[in-house]
Amino acid sequence: SAVISQKPSRDICQRGTSLTIQCQVDSQVTMMFWYRQQPGQSLTLIATANQGSEATYESGFVIDKFPISRPNLTFSTLTVSNMSPEDSSIYLCSVMTQLTAKNIQYFGAGTRLSVL
Amino acid sequence: RKEVEQDPGPFNVPEGATVAFNCTYSNSASQSFFWYRQDCRKEPKLLMSVYSSGNEDGRFTAQLNRASQYISLLIRDSKLSDSATYLCVVNEAGTYKYIFGTGTRLKVLA
Repeated sequence: SAVISQKPSRDICQRGTSLTIQCQVDSQVTMMFWYRQQPGQSLTLIATANQGSEATYESGFVIDKFPISRPNLTFSTLTVSNMSPEDSSIYLCSVMTQLTAKNIQYFGAGTRLSVL
Repeated sequence: RKEVEQDPGPFNVPEGATVAFNCTYSNSASQSFFWYRQDCRKEPKLLMSVYSSGNEDGRFTAQLNRASQYISLLIRDSKLSDSATYLCVVNEAGTYKYIFGTGTRLKVLA
């Protein structure tokens, strides 16, 4: 499995500000994803981070709110822009590798965001 | 209907008990299925993939029923350390996307 380093691990932010979350992988991976997990909920995919091109966003998520960068095959960032208390959540990055013909996702430890 | 549905629980069981969780999925074309475990305030971690023929890993057994579109997870001889949320995950057909269930909480009691 890949070793994924995600930071910051937590932050408390004021409304109207932005936070950039970093995800670093110890090996080159084709697929990287960003998820949100709201309190008591399961994981919701925000977008697929594409290396060298614009991210692919899921319904309900837009680039202006969640800009994503993927400059190479080991690194990606997610920015939560113009934050409001509704953005308080855990944000997780994941990478996909292939294991015995199945595509397996491994997750970073997550960023716990609180917006005041 | 949700794409992936699970009973949220909690399931409170004594140590040593056998417990089973089911998960149903709506897309009959789904190809890959997984169980992930998520401890409180931690990231999800792969517990096991689910194969068509069923598979076992120690005290854990996973089954897939394509006709009825459900997967199951059986835990035998429950340990206190099994207390966690178990997430059913379905790989959306033709994509790399994972669809997560809401998770089933398990509490193993001493």
